[in-house]
Amino acid sequence: NAGVTQTPKFQVLKTGQSMTLQCAQDMNHEYMSWYRQDPGMGLRLIHYSVGAGITDQGEVPNGYNVSRSTTEDFPLRLLSAAPSQTSVYFCASSYSPATYEQYFGPGTRLTVT
Amino acid sequence: DAKTTQPPSMDCAEGRAANLPCNHSTISGNEYVYWYRQIHSQGPQYIIHGLKNNETNEMASLIITEDRKSSTLILPHATLRDTAVYYCIVIRDDKIIFGKGTRLHILP
Repeated sequence: NAGVTQTPKFQVLKTGQSMTLQCAQDMNHEYMSWYRQDPGMGLRLIHYSVGAGITDQGEVPNGYNVSRSTTEDFPLRLLSAAPSQTSVYFCASSYSPATYEQYFGPGTRLTVT
Repeated sequence: DAKTTQPPSMDCAEGRAANLPCNHSTISGNEYVYWYRQIHSQGPQYIIHGLKNNETNEMASLIITEDRKSSTLILPHATLRDTAVYYCIVIRDDKIIFGKGTRLHILP
């Protein structure tokens, strides 16, 4: 198993550009989530999904869109990047959020200039 | 959200047991307590979780008070590699919310 994979590892965007951060898992996990982590801070939940076709907002959803068309993939879209979205983004997955451990990807480091 | 409270930082001598406390006074009867840690800028790593009983695995032990309002994560023989931020989490409504955690410094 590759576990949770994220691409790209690094990305630099200009303000106003759009892009999609990719997240995939090969463990047949129903639950997937996206977090951002700013320097010296804890992780903040952006969006999460309890299964294909179902998504919901976390703590800081503004400026981000998600979709879950398959069990394996959970892409995060930035529609119009802003400098405030400069952060490290982590994707995670598990069989269920409440009773199983979360597996985290290696992260994507995004800089918006 | 089920809120947890942890000290911002702690020190522990190498080779000694590290005891990290967490307060979760608003926890409900069927909500688990989870512990994760994050080493430097890596993705968080699962350590252990529990509901009512004390739990132990190869990494750590989890002691949950009888009223479930607090818990303690125990790293029995801390090493320099245990230097990390440790997060105590109670999951509610399918949302896994990380607080600020405890930064554990292992002193040589």
